[in-house]
Amino acid sequence: QSVLTQPPSASGTPGQRVTISCSGSSSNIGSNYVYWYQQLPGTAPKLLIYRNNQRPSGVPDRFSGSKSGTSASLAISGLRSEDEADYYCAAWDDSLSGLEVVFGGGTKLTVL
Amino acid sequence: QVQLVESGGGVVQPGRSLRLSCAASGFTFSSYGMHWVRQAPGKGLEWVAVISYDGSNKYYADSVKGRFTISRDNSKNTLYLQMNSLRAEDTAVYYCAKGDIVGATTPGSDYWGQGTLVTVSS
Repeated sequence: QSVLTQPPSASGTPGQRVTISCSGSSSNIGSNYVYWYQQLPGTAPKLLIYRNNQRPSGVPDRFSGSKSGTSASLAISGLRSEDEADYYCAAWDDSLSGLEVVFGGGTKLTVL
Repeated sequence: QVQLVESGGGVVQPGRSLRLSCAASGFTFSSYGMHWVRQAPGKGLEWVAVISYDGSNKYYADSVKGRFTISRDNSKNTLYLQMNSLRAEDTAVYYCAKGDIVGATTPGSDYWGQGTLVTVSS
């Protein structure tokens, strides 16, 4: 059971806009930045979004992040076949047991 | 170019120990926090531990607290993960990852190694 909740799957057709949600609580998303990672099959994860909505250099502007309260979203516009991957959200969680990084369970995106 | 190369994985019996290493190059290692993140076969990402750029701050996942120790040698540009009292549920690919902001310890990792597989089995 992941601390951050993501839908297990999402899908869209080429050119569509897809949104992946990430739900948390006041101890994580509600008080800290959200990060998003993309993991293509058989490869290491890649940072897509940092500090809620910032893109590292080289990440296309088709990818965007947002945060509101204790939830965050990753939007992918102009969906392409190469976007088919697993997507994970992450954030600091400051709870009674201490400070730790928590990941969502991941969302498998299928491009139909 | 940034390179992170993990080593030290393998098959180990439950209760035994293993030490992973991550050799870093292509950036100023001593300026960035570093993470260990693992992924069990067919499962999602699980954060393991992070260490600040100077080694003064370390944080661990509850699942490994008291059993795993993260450390670094900035003179050797190397990150370590000492894993003791290993359990079957520690079986995973272990990735080292570079922090995304100089001088800060954040959940962001902009470069990742290829991973090293640890299998805990009798």
